[in-house]
Amino acid sequence: DAGVTQSPTHLIKTRGQQVTLRCSPKSGHDTVSWYQQALGQGPQFIFQYYEEEERQRGNFPDRFSGHQFPNYSSELNVNALLLGDSALYLCASSLSAAGELFFGEGSRLTVL
Amino acid sequence: SQELEQSPQSLIVQEGKNLTINCTSSKTLYGLYWYKQKYGEGLIFLMMLQKGGEEKSHEKITAKLDEKKQQSSLHITASQPSHAGIYLCGADNNAGNMLTFGGGTRLMVKP
Repeated sequence: DAGVTQSPTHLIKTRGQQVTLRCSPKSGHDTVSWYQQALGQGPQFIFQYYEEEERQRGNFPDRFSGHQFPNYSSELNVNALLLGDSALYLCASSLSAAGELFFGEGSRLTVL
Repeated sequence: SQELEQSPQSLIVQEGKNLTINCTSSKTLYGLYWYKQKYGEGLIFLMMLQKGGEEKSHEKITAKLDEKKQQSSLHITASQPSHAGIYLCGADNNAGNMLTFGGGTRLMVKP
């Protein structure tokens, strides 16, 4: 039974560019959340998707957007990258918005 | 907004020693998650607590949520080098798994 899988694992971008990160939830899960973890800090909630709609959003600008597909997989898009967007981006899945929340290994984004 | 404070921020213990990590919330906790993270990697689910006074154990790790549901502790018995990593507590704000995390506790276990 595959857990939460994310791609790519590492990527390097330059300021102003755009990036897309991908996530496949754990089998049987229908809700996907995205978190940003800066170096040395705890993860911060970006947004949550359920039934292909954004259900909740944290304190992140509109440059951060997402999408959920009918198979429950999800993408995180970040436009106009800033140096401060460098972080580990974590995807988490659960069954509905309750119960245990499982995380993937993350995508490490470096913005130069 | 809810804030979580973890203590200590870092901890170095000798292998075989017991240790406790605390997580204190500024608001009532509806659900409290504990995760372990290896440096730069994903979060490994340890336990979830929801009821005041609840206590759960897995192998040598025990987590408790106090009766007032504003503080949780994670206790490791007879620590091993494999316990090393960053321990994170995350609070559910009763809005459906939108977790607020503490800053983490960095644990090192010396052989």
